[in-house]
Amino acid sequence: GQNIDQPTEMTATEGAIVQINCTYQTSGFNGLFWYQQHAGEAPTFLSYNVLDGLEEKGRFSSFLSRSKGYSYLLLKELQMKDSASYLCACMDSNYQLIWGAGTKLIIKP
Amino acid sequence: TAGITQAPTSQILAAGRSMTLRCTQDMRHNAMYWYRQDLGLGLRLIHYSNTAGTTGKGEVPDGYSVSRANTDDFPLTLASAVPSQTSVYFCASSADSGTRGDTQYFGPGTRLTVL
Repeated sequence: GQNIDQPTEMTATEGAIVQINCTYQTSGFNGLFWYQQHAGEAPTFLSYNVLDGLEEKGRFSSFLSRSKGYSYLLLKELQMKDSASYLCACMDSNYQLIWGAGTKLIIKP
Repeated sequence: TAGITQAPTSQILAAGRSMTLRCTQDMRHNAMYWYRQDLGLGLRLIHYSNTAGTTGKGEVPDGYSVSRANTDDFPLTLASAVPSQTSVYFCASSADSGTRGDTQYFGPGTRLTVL
């Protein structure tokens, strides 16, 4: 079956670095997305990886290893506004998105 | 640009009643989607439409129907609501389903409670 796993909740300190992991098993693979979702709001697009390696976009970076079925989202210089849920989603062979349950990130001052 | 709008923002509905959730996008995207989001679960696809005039079933289609008469609108109808349909419903759109990296953009959501 298809499965996306990510930790339910993580806590980090303002100014620090946090890594949110995501492992996946899907029927086919056409890339992996990360979205940010603040409480009570819509998910918003952060990144897309389809090739192995690290993609950097400001304070956020996303890594993919297709052979390991593994990705992570790295957030640097954490700010209080980064408190949100982070959703991992894989695009399968039918180009449908399979979503993880999300990781709630709590930032403490 | 408004992007994607959804209405209503929230609704309390008696079990057995019908309701239509509205979704409109102004980005001229070909594909549109309806998801439900429940605590502890990932977003689950209800129905989708790859282009105007076509629709398809997602992971959890039972109890829901959709139509796509034009590019901009994609309403979701609950014919006879049940309490298990209590959820937050998100509409999304993307430029071109069936391509790698096709990014989905989400509306603000409708919070539905069925009593």
